[in-house]
Amino acid sequence: DTAVSQTPKYLVTQMGNDKSIKCEQNLGHDTMYWYKQDSKKFLKIMFSYNNKELIINETVPNRFSPKSPDKAHLNLHINSLELGDSAVYFCASSQNPTSSGELFFGEGSRLTVL
Amino acid sequence: KNQVEQSPQSLIILEGKNCTLQCNYTVSPFSNLRWYKQDTGRGPVSLTIMTFSENTKSNGRYTATLDADTKQSSLHITASQLSDSASYICVVSHGGGADGLTFGKGTHLIIQP
Repeated sequence: DTAVSQTPKYLVTQMGNDKSIKCEQNLGHDTMYWYKQDSKKFLKIMFSYNNKELIINETVPNRFSPKSPDKAHLNLHINSLELGDSAVYFCASSQNPTSSGELFFGEGSRLTVL
Repeated sequence: KNQVEQSPQSLIILEGKNCTLQCNYTVSPFSNLRWYKQDTGRGPVSLTIMTFSENTKSNGRYTATLDADTKQSSLHITASQLSDSASYICVVSHGGGADGLTFGKGTHLIIQP
């Protein structure tokens, strides 16, 4: 079984649309994250979510919003998509909410905005 | 400003050869240093995590070293295989919250037969 799974793997859409990426982890971890990997391959944290506490990277536009229906899921909603949103988005989870915990990544969702 | 610099940016070696990837960091305070392997089109997978007191750590053919005094780490790959072709990302933690990780840009390694 895949530990951290995200869907869809590929997403192509038009500017201005609203889209969602789903993420599920079956590791029993308490904390989940969303990362963005741009064309330069840098991984940047967008959000972390732990016990209903959301920590937001202040550089993330408010068009991006995470939604957690339960501890095992953290979905990413994006409104009014822009060209610059094109990137690969990775979901991750860890048992430890601090940065000392081991991270387990999903396979990534490649978003292309036309 | 916390930074992680990796070198070389890319590397091509022949199958069976050894190679060493470098990571220099200016992250402070220091909690741990991680090496991740990211295959093309896949998510990063952890290879090693080292804390301040650990100088070396191995995972199969991968050996990571850490010099906390000079703030340098290296990842040595022995007897490379075609499956080692990937990006290798150095990540340094300052032990803070979930945003307390500083990522390097990675070294893109290609193993040629």
